[in-house]
Amino acid sequence: DTGVSQDPRHKITKRGQNVTFRCDPISEHNRLYWYRQTLGQGPEFLTYFQNEAQLEKSRLLSDRFSAERPKGSFSTLEIQRTEQGDSAMYLCASRGPRDTTTGYTFGSGTRLTVV
Amino acid sequence: QKEVEQNSGPLSVPEGAIASLNCTYSDRGSQSFFWYRQYSGKSPELIMSIYSNGDKEDGRFTAQLNKASQYVSLLIRDSQPSDSATYLCAVNMKTSYDKVIFGPGTSLSVIP
Repeated sequence: DTGVSQDPRHKITKRGQNVTFRCDPISEHNRLYWYRQTLGQGPEFLTYFQNEAQLEKSRLLSDRFSAERPKGSFSTLEIQRTEQGDSAMYLCASRGPRDTTTGYTFGSGTRLTVV
Repeated sequence: QKEVEQNSGPLSVPEGAIASLNCTYSDRGSQSFFWYRQYSGKSPELIMSIYSNGDKEDGRFTAQLNKASQYVSLLIRDSQPSDSATYLCAVNMKTSYDKVIFGPGTSLSVIP
């Protein structure tokens, strides 16, 4: 296991289309996070899973966004009816079960461009 | 007040100098603090973590934490052009369930 894997690396889509991203965390990491980052800004929290349970979702996230982690392993993030404002880097991160003193390991990210 | 604040920069320092990056946070109960480095077009990379008041050194990097002042800093000694990147301060907020909140980042440019 070489780290957090995200797929695809880049996605260009037309406005109004649905897109789905996948994240495979480090195998022993039970906590998984999705963030969104736009140019010149820090990563913005979207949602958090502990095992298969989605424990927190940002209030900034519209109903067009949904995330799943059905078996507590990989996770998917879907954006329905994409808008140009959804263009951003979508980052997945994971960390182990013990405590909050360990930092995240990020994947390489998925860069979404909505045209 | 934003949860995590940083000087946006850009900060320019000559090669070999000390770069000083600063961060303040709003949640007084926060316990864990992190510095990430992010190169353009890449994802953030964890470079330092600190949990106790005082200094923590790792190679050319020193993190400093003052919980009473709600202040975290990162010093980079003997700055190299390869240190040119955006540095993100991140805080594990006690008020949140279990997530890290990031600052906007400070862009550092090390001039040869």
